[in-house]
Order: sequence, then structure tokens, then C-alpha cells
Amino acid sequence: DQQVKQNSPSLSVQEGRISILNCDYTNSMFDYFLWYKKYPAEGPTFLISISSIKDKNEDGRFTVFLNKSAKHLSLHIVPSQPGDSAVYFCAATMTAGTASKLTFGTGTRLQVTL
Amino acid sequence: DVKVTQSSRYLVKRTGEKVFLECVQDMDHENMFWYRQDPGLGLRLIYFSYDVKMKEKGDIPEGYSVSREKKERFSLILESASTNQTSMYLCASRKPGQLYYGYTFGSGTRLTVV
Repeated sequence: DQQVKQNSPSLSVQEGRISILNCDYTNSMFDYFLWYKKYPAEGPTFLISISSIKDKNEDGRFTVFLNKSAKHLSLHIVPSQPGDSAVYFCAATMTAGTASKLTFGTGTRLQVTL
Repeated sequence: DVKVTQSSRYLVKRTGEKVFLECVQDMDHENMFWYRQDPGLGLRLIYFSYDVKMKEKGDIPEGYSVSREKKERFSLILESASTNQTSMYLCASRKPGQLYYGYTFGSGTRLTVV
């Protein structure tokens, strides 16, 4: 039972354009969401996060949008750069309870072309 | 710079062998996690530990066990390795309350079982 889904396994975007990565979740108890970026042969690194009390969080070129009613979040990268080429995972958690384990999506491979 | 270190980057083991994957963190984090990453399946939680000598099953614990005798070290044990355990294994840690930055991941261990 995949509680966090990324329906697009891959995405190709031209340098300078906007990249939009999407993520859907089914568990209404999730109240905190994160995006991680992963290069080959490296561990995932934290990118940006959002609490369910917000609908938008921005950090430089990266913006995450949350639509709670639709159980949907998206990551916007503007402008896209070749160094953004990586696999992006969205993750969700329930902040109540111990350890606050993260449930990850299946990932979207972003390729930014010149 | 804070770190999560996984002892091996690449490992090849034979079917039936007992395999130990080691993870050490230097951040004095209470919580530690083991995930495996497979194409199309994303990151799936195997086991996690709230603190020393404490452990909890994740979503796919079958065929695995863990050990946490010291705060900084979390070991994943494959009791009898099988080919379907060929995967990228990722260790992570976090300090309770530092939810905003999620986990810190190690670089991963690529395990091949032949």
C-alpha cells in the first residue's frame, strides 16, 4: 500500500525553464512533508519542507506547494539548472508519536537539458 | 561537518551468508533508520531505533534484524542473504525535534547477493 506516490518516474526539462515535480499522498494523518534530492552513489539530501499549516514554502529557486484537500504537493524549481539533474523523493510524516518516521514516494528522475 | 558513515560502499555476498551492514553517526542523534532503495519502489523502511537498545520494525522487516548497542552505531543484519535482498541500503539518523531538516543520510551500501 503506497501511501506516498510520485506518478511520474521521469521528467525532462530545458535549462532555464520551470521543473514541476508532483506527489500525492493518501494518509490524512500526514502533517509534514519534505523533498529530498539524490545523486547516484550518494545518500538523499534534504531540499525543502512544508508543514500542513502552510500551503507554500519558498527557498531560493525551490518552492513547495501543498493542497491538503487534494492530498497533493508539488515542487517547483525555477529556473532549472543542469546541476538539478537528480532523483527527487517526496516524503511525509506524522509529527505526533515517536521517531516521526518518514514515508517516501517512489521518486522522479529529473533531467535538465542544455 | 556532521556525518552518517556506512562502512562499505559496495558489497558482494553469496546466498545464505550472514551479512552485517554497519552505520555510524557522529551527531549524537537518538533516532536511526535503515531503508532500502529499489527502482520503482522508492525508499522503504526496514527497521528503526528510537534510542540505544530500542528497535521497531518498519514496513519490510522480513529477513532482517538490527542491533543498537551504542548510540552512535546501528547495524543491519541479513540473517541468510537471498538474491531478492540485492539493493541499495541507506542508513539515516535524526535528533527528535529537528523535524524541519528531516534525516541525515549516509552514502549508501550497494549490496549484491549472488
